[in-house]
This record gives sequence, C-alpha cells and structure tokens, in this order.
Amino acid sequence: KNQVEQSPQSLIILEGKNCTLQCNYTVSPFSNLRWYKQDTGRGPVSLTIMTFSENTKSNGRYTATLDADTKQSSLHITASQLSDSASYICVVIDRGSTLGRLYFGRGTQLTVWP
Amino acid sequence: EADIYQTPRYLVIGTGKKITLECSQTMGHDKMYWYQQDPGMELHLIHYSYGVNSTEKGDLSSESTVSRIRTEHFPLTLESARPSHTSQYLCASSGSGGLGYNEQFFGPGTRLTVL
Repeated sequence: KNQVEQSPQSLIILEGKNCTLQCNYTVSPFSNLRWYKQDTGRGPVSLTIMTFSENTKSNGRYTATLDADTKQSSLHITASQLSDSASYICVVIDRGSTLGRLYFGRGTQLTVWP
Repeated sequence: EADIYQTPRYLVIGTGKKITLECSQTMGHDKMYWYQQDPGMELHLIHYSYGVNSTEKGDLSSESTVSRIRTEHFPLTLESARPSHTSQYLCASSGSGGLGYNEQFFGPGTRLTVL
C-alpha cells in the first residue's frame, strides 16, 4: 500500500532555532516529492519539488533532502521565524499510472514561539 | 493576477440543506481537483476534472457531485448536507500533464460545518 508517514506529528521551537522534519514513503514507482506549507485555515503552498535524481533543493531558509534508495526525505528550516508556524505536508507522486497520483502525509504541525 | 478562489470561506448550515461550494481559477489551467481534509489528517481527493465536461471521482468516496461547464469554474454540490459532511474542502488546479506531474495550486479552502 502506498503511504507517506511524517514525523514528528507536532513540534514546538523557539524563534531563531533550526529544525528538521522527516518524511518516509512507500510509494512506488516514484516520480517526485514535494513539501507544502499550510497555514491554518488556508490551502497548501508549494515549498520544494524534488525528482528522483535530486538529493538537495533549497528555497530560502527551507532545504529539502531526498534519499530515493531509503525512501526518506527531510525538510530543514533554518533560523525559524514566527511566520513559519504552520503545517508542513510531504506529498509523493506516483508515476506508475497515467494519472500520476498524489499521496499526502498528515503533516507536521510546527509552532514557533517568540 | 493569476489565482484560485473559493467561496464561501466558512459555511454553517443545517442538516438537509443543499449547498454549492464555488471554485474558480484564473491560472489558465485545464485540470482541477477537490480535496477533503479533516483536522490533523491528510488531504483526500474526492473529485477531479481534466477539462470542460470531464469529471471523475477520486480516491475517497463522496456524496458530493461536481460539474465543469467552463474551464475556470469547478463547483461542488451537496444535495442534502449531513453532519458527516463537516470538513474542510480544498480546490486545486494544475497545468498540462498527468494528474500529479504538474504542480497543483490550492485555493484557501471552505470550512463547512453541518449542524
């Protein structure tokens, strides 16, 4: 069964600190992996998109890594800001069908305290 | 400005009422999607459309129906709302290619509460 598991479920850090969110998946065959940020009451917004051949991709203070062999990804947030408080969702795309199905994780709820 | 819009943002309604959730996009995208999301849970695809007059059911069974008469408009209708329909409904759109190959852009969502 294709699944996406994220950890931790929730995380609280102080402003200015770094943190790393984890994503493990069993989706196969793999097309690409995306990290989305979802603010409370809003729709998800894409942060990074990584294909099979990419190991690292950065977007400002966000850096995503991908190990396609172990089927693991991480999202590292540097020098956190209050505005980083949100749910971070890992999404894996399956290229096994013509539809390219999306599989969503449940997200990690990050809270940044001043 | 290219964007995707959903109305209403919040809706509280009684059991048995008919409701329509609106979704419009000015992205020029041909594909559109409806997702259902409960608090702390993953998004589940309930409907999608490849273009005008094309609608398909998603992975999660839903009593809702959709229509795609215009490229930019993809409304979702519940004929008789029930408390079990209480959830957040997210609309998304994407450009050419398969269902997931191109990035999906999400609307702000509609938070539906059925009493």
